[in-house]
Amino acid sequence: AQTVTQSQPEMSVQEAETVTLSCTYDTSESDYYLFWYKQPPSRQMILVIRQEAYKQQNATENRFSVNFQKAAKSFSLKISDSQLGDAAMYFCAHRRSNDYKLSFGAGTTVTVRA
Amino acid sequence: DSGVTQTPKHLITATGQRVTLRCSPRSGDLSVYWYQQSLDQGLQFLIHYYNGEERAKGNILERFSAQQFPDLHSELNLSSLELGDSALYFCASSVGTGGAGNEQFFGPGTRLTVL
Repeated sequence: AQTVTQSQPEMSVQEAETVTLSCTYDTSESDYYLFWYKQPPSRQMILVIRQEAYKQQNATENRFSVNFQKAAKSFSLKISDSQLGDAAMYFCAHRRSNDYKLSFGAGTTVTVRA
Repeated sequence: DSGVTQTPKHLITATGQRVTLRCSPRSGDLSVYWYQQSLDQGLQFLIHYYNGEERAKGNILERFSAQQFPDLHSELNLSSLELGDSALYFCASSVGTGGAGNEQFFGPGTRLTVL
């Protein structure tokens, strides 16, 4: 079974600053996908960014970027120039290459201070 | 808006009752997934349907069942409800069943409260 661990229950960041969320996962496979989902107070799950394990280049989506360390099984999310709208719970998720289900971490609540 | 719709938004019911949650996937998506989000268990995969067929089961209780209809909408049936079933139930959809680019898009969820 895949295990995804988010060790930071809460993080706080000043508006316009940068915050990094940690995620580690456990898998015996070499091919898989990693995701970060955002869940704002509306409870909607929104895909923020995805990373294919076979790609060495770290994924980037505007102000969101990841640091994917395959050997260390680490997948952190960096939010740059934080905005008030970034306040949400962020979930790290793993999916095997030819699989269907997402395995989620426990989530990290991000608070943005004005 | 992900394109996935779920009804109802909120549901309040009593223990022992039975409810049905409905999900319509994005246009063109053949796969439907159900997830449960609760305070103590977090986000957990329940079940996956692809083009009308059950493909995989996760941590789904025997009191729960689901199906996907020919028009691809799906229903999650929860029976003999217990207080611990109170949770947010998400439906997600994707084009296929795995592989590259097969992101799952989530609906807004159904908040179930069992009193």
